[in-house]
Amino acid sequence: GAGVSQSPSNKVTEKGKDVELRCDPISGHTALYWYRQSLGQGLEFLIYFQGNSAPDKSGLPSDRFSAERTGGSVSTLTIQRTQQEDSAVYLCASSLLPPPISGTSGANVLTFGAGSRLTVL
Amino acid sequence: GIQVEQSPPDLILQEGANSTLRCNFSDSVNNLQWFHQNPWGQLINLFYIPSGTKQNGRLSATTVATERYSLLYISSSQTTDSGVYFCALDDKIIFGKGTRLHILP
Repeated sequence: GAGVSQSPSNKVTEKGKDVELRCDPISGHTALYWYRQSLGQGLEFLIYFQGNSAPDKSGLPSDRFSAERTGGSVSTLTIQRTQQEDSAVYLCASSLLPPPISGTSGANVLTFGAGSRLTVL
Repeated sequence: GIQVEQSPPDLILQEGANSTLRCNFSDSVNNLQWFHQNPWGQLINLFYIPSGTKQNGRLSATTVATERYSLLYISSSQTTDSGVYFCALDDKIIFGKGTRLHILP
């Protein structure tokens, strides 16, 4: 697609429910990132996928969080047994190639989706 | 992990003023990007600048990798420049806490 697409744009759920957030990166982009942004805060790194390599999960805050990327394209972030502190905007971004592999600057540029706003009641 | 510090945290300027935003980092990097998050939350890449200087209209950026800092310059500010400016770096694209810029008409 022309840009990074995320769905749903808004999700309201009850504490204890599971949620799935979807990210459809730009076609052909090999690197995909998930971030979380709480109100008025910066972006917190969650997980990073690069091609067929094992993902870097070092930013996932607890074992209730998981993510997968099927076929090197669409990614799903799953939050199990949601808590109120999970409320945030979840942002996905992709780039053609990850740093530092690329020798061309444009290939590392991140393009962000509009985000999925999650509210846990 | 690598540490990223941005300054100032907040900046209020009159339209037409110039500003300099700073990003310090704790280790050598081969990837540094500047982003603008508009008041509606959309993040837009401004520069990919692991080293050197780039300019795009009223915006320019300089990274001195050996001294571990990057600067973003905004000249002749407009109200549409308001928002939060982030630098991000390293393979995992770690973000600083940002500089919140308010341009007053």
